[in-house]
Amino acid sequence: SSELTQDPAVSVALGQTVRITCQGDSLRSYYASWYQQKPGQAPVLVFYGKNNRPSGIPDRFSGSSSGNTASLTITGAQAEDEADYYCNSRDSSGNHRYVFGTGTKVTVL
Amino acid sequence: EVHLVESGGGLVKPGGSLRLSCAASGFTFSSYSMNWVRQAPGKGLEWVSSISSTSSYIYYADSVKGRFTISRDNAKNSLFLQMNSLRVEDTAVYYCARASGYSSSWAFDIWGQGTMVTVSS
Repeated sequence: SSELTQDPAVSVALGQTVRITCQGDSLRSYYASWYQQKPGQAPVLVFYGKNNRPSGIPDRFSGSSSGNTASLTITGAQAEDEADYYCNSRDSSGNHRYVFGTGTKVTVL
Repeated sequence: EVHLVESGGGLVKPGGSLRLSCAASGFTFSSYSMNWVRQAPGKGLEWVSSISSTSSYIYYADSVKGRFTISRDNAKNSLFLQMNSLRVEDTAVYYCARASGYSSSWAFDIWGQGTMVTVSS
């Protein structure tokens, strides 16, 4: 089955830009979706597909994809963006499963 | 407003069974595929199982295949997860999540608050 790899942790200064990446073979066939999870809370979808941001998600969250890599960019990071972020896609092995990335802890300095 | 509310978690001994439920409201439940996703303490998210809108297609992660059974009752807007032969490593918060999308673009757009399952002797 597929795997999605993310950097364990990144930090960003308040107001600056941070990019979180997700690598995996399944991303050559499927777009990634991105989830924000704060401690003790359920994940929240923040970006998905080619260019889709759910209602209520600030436009500082954006996504892109190239080859086997998907990226989530936070432009002008805010203190409330400090959280764990997970990518996800369907498994491209033909087994109709889903796979989550390993997760990235974003710290806003 | 769209809501998913899980219930049924608790403490169970290894080898035991538990049945989780997820009550949906605020959307046409019968039109969406539904999923269970879990998160072990201090760990990342793990997809567990999915069921299509009419229950025609069901899939499981290798880690639970043969032990867990997903089902749904569209008349009652409810999703279930029957967990048998539970192991210590099944200890996690279990979330139900709605899947939306098509073709190459899918996402879990609605999540419940989760229910804790602890497997311990």
